[in-house]
Amino acid sequence: GAVVSQHPSRVICKSGTSVKIECRSLDFQATTMFWYRQFPKKSLMLMATSNEGSKATYEQGVEKDKFLINHASLTLSTLTVTSAHPEDSSFYICSARRTGTNEQFFGPGTRLTVL
Amino acid sequence: SQQGEEDPQALSIQEGENATMNCSYKTSINNLQWYRQNSGRGLVHLILIRSNEREKHSGRLRVTLDTSKKSSSLLITASRAADTASYFCATDDSGNTPLVFGKGTRLSVIA
Repeated sequence: GAVVSQHPSRVICKSGTSVKIECRSLDFQATTMFWYRQFPKKSLMLMATSNEGSKATYEQGVEKDKFLINHASLTLSTLTVTSAHPEDSSFYICSARRTGTNEQFFGPGTRLTVL
Repeated sequence: SQQGEEDPQALSIQEGENATMNCSYKTSINNLQWYRQNSGRGLVHLILIRSNEREKHSGRLRVTLDTSKKSSSLLITASRAADTASYFCATDDSGNTPLVFGKGTRLSVIA
């Protein structure tokens, strides 16, 4: 099966600090990965599309300087929440599309709490 | 952006009853998928139905798709307490686009 991992699974940080979240495809290559955010009792909202070797594409209303995405290899994308504030507290979920297919696999999510 | 709406937003039933959740979407689609999410956890893929399919079964799950009405339904038969979760539909309009999620239905199955 295709497994996507996220690290860390949960993180608590102080306001103003930056937090990096990793998304890895463990047994397949993923040219494209996606980052979603989910607030409590709400649905998943697409934040950005991450493409290996190129700049990410951000959805309307998502600040690219606030949420830095790096997709440096075919198995790793990172999301850095810069200068985090309490309103950034959320559940962040990544997904990875297996290269050459339409199959998309989801990571287990990262719970970010900003104090 | 979100593609569609799930209906109802919340559903509470007794164990053994059937649960039906509906999903409507706005644009043409390539595939429609249903996911389950337990509170605070990741997504579990349940079933995928292609735009040229009308019905699909998997165990206690039955999914229908009506592209003329831009809607889908998920039926869980003989529900169990362990089915308690949020259920989301997600669509893509081509092989290269990300999945767009509906708002979800929170299902509570009471033992």
